[in-house]
Amino acid sequence: KAGVTQTPRYLIKTRGQQVTLSCSPISGHRSVSWYQQTPGQGLQFLFEYFSETQRNKGNFPGRFSGRQFSNSRSEMNVSTLELGDSALYLCASSPLWGDEDTQYFGPGTRLTVL
Amino acid sequence: AQKITQTQPGMFVQEKEAVTLDCTYDTSDQSYGLFWYKQPSSGEMIFLIYQGSYDEQNATEGRYSLNFQKARKSANLVISASQLGDSAMYFCAMREGLGGADGLTFGKGTHLIIQP
Repeated sequence: KAGVTQTPRYLIKTRGQQVTLSCSPISGHRSVSWYQQTPGQGLQFLFEYFSETQRNKGNFPGRFSGRQFSNSRSEMNVSTLELGDSALYLCASSPLWGDEDTQYFGPGTRLTVL
Repeated sequence: AQKITQTQPGMFVQEKEAVTLDCTYDTSDQSYGLFWYKQPSSGEMIFLIYQGSYDEQNATEGRYSLNFQKARKSANLVISASQLGDSAMYFCAMREGLGGADGLTFGKGTHLIIQP
């Protein structure tokens, strides 16, 4: 099975712009979660989607949003970018069948905001 | 209070030695899961091992084992016969409750360096 894929891998934006990141989960996985990783804050949960519904969201401002499509692919959007949004954004998918909820991560999108 | 504590920011270990990476957790849930991930310099998070709160036996996956001490809320990762390719950041993480909606809570990580 192919792993989780994320596009693009690298992105450079300027303050005030918006950005959309894409994530394709492992085939058959229904849950997609997003995380932000920064040197200062470490790994932080952004949100989780299951069957096109956001089930939970971490402590991030409303500028961070996401969605999931019927094929389980997910996108996250950050509007009005700030310098502090520079980070590695990781997507993870999980089957959520019974007790199987291990999250498998993609390679990440490294976002730099100038 | 931190939910996941990894007290070793960095470790140097000789190749072929066994390594123990410490992790303590804090939760009031009865049902939870504990995970270890490896993150090489490339950035990708690689799943290593999982321990459920109701599992009575310690989890093992090849050279990785998880020393689960529930009463002490401890979930240490043991890597046997370390290899140069084991050099990476290692993160302990916890999922509380059921259903995976709450996301994982991560520790700050341990930077492991294997020396030849």
